[in-house]
Amino acid sequence: SQELEQSPQSLIVQEGKNLTINCTSSKTLYGLYWYKQKYGEGLIFLMMLQKGGEEKSHEKITAKLDEKKQQSSLHITASQPSHAGTYLCGADMGSNYQLIWGAGTKLIIKP
Amino acid sequence: SQTIHQWPATLVQPVGSPLSLECTVEGTSNPNLYWYRQAAGRGLQLLFYSVGIGQISSEVPQNLSASRPQDRQFILSSKKLLLSDSGFYLCAWMLLMNTEAFFGQGTRLTVV
Repeated sequence: SQELEQSPQSLIVQEGKNLTINCTSSKTLYGLYWYKQKYGEGLIFLMMLQKGGEEKSHEKITAKLDEKKQQSSLHITASQPSHAGTYLCGADMGSNYQLIWGAGTKLIIKP
Repeated sequence: SQTIHQWPATLVQPVGSPLSLECTVEGTSNPNLYWYRQAAGRGLQLLFYSVGIGQISSEVPQNLSASRPQDRQFILSSKKLLLSDSGFYLCAWMLLMNTEAFFGQGTRLTVV
């Protein structure tokens, strides 16, 4: 099983609706990253969380890290076509140099 | 400003041929450098990372190797490609853990 579980694997949402993507670990997360990827392209940084209970927002995207630092959620409000893509979470689980990555959530926005 | 260049964007190579993918970073010094492979519907698999010139750590035994001949240059190589080497390869850099990781645009490698 993966160390970092991301759900759902894919999501189809009507434009204008809200949605949530989750990233869960059985271990403590020392840092949690959210990235967005368009098909066939590199990853674009969205947000990084480090403290338990931390919440950050950028435009219509909000990311939270729970108090136990084992789960993070990414919430998009009033989704738009520009939000379509694959969202990946990555985590520092105590390694000095490497991040562990979730499998990604493919988001499709229906007009 | 900090940028990362990765090339080529796409590559089609016959089985048994050599491979060289290059990644260069600008605007920073002594970055940690990474090569990842991404399979469809899967997360990023770390292949190699480097914390300094000539220092390479391999995470997965395979048909690939990496080198860091200069501080901001990271090369992924193979002497003889296998069909299973096909995939999407990403180069990335970060200065420290828990700082932003910057990714190249990726290379789509198809081995035929």
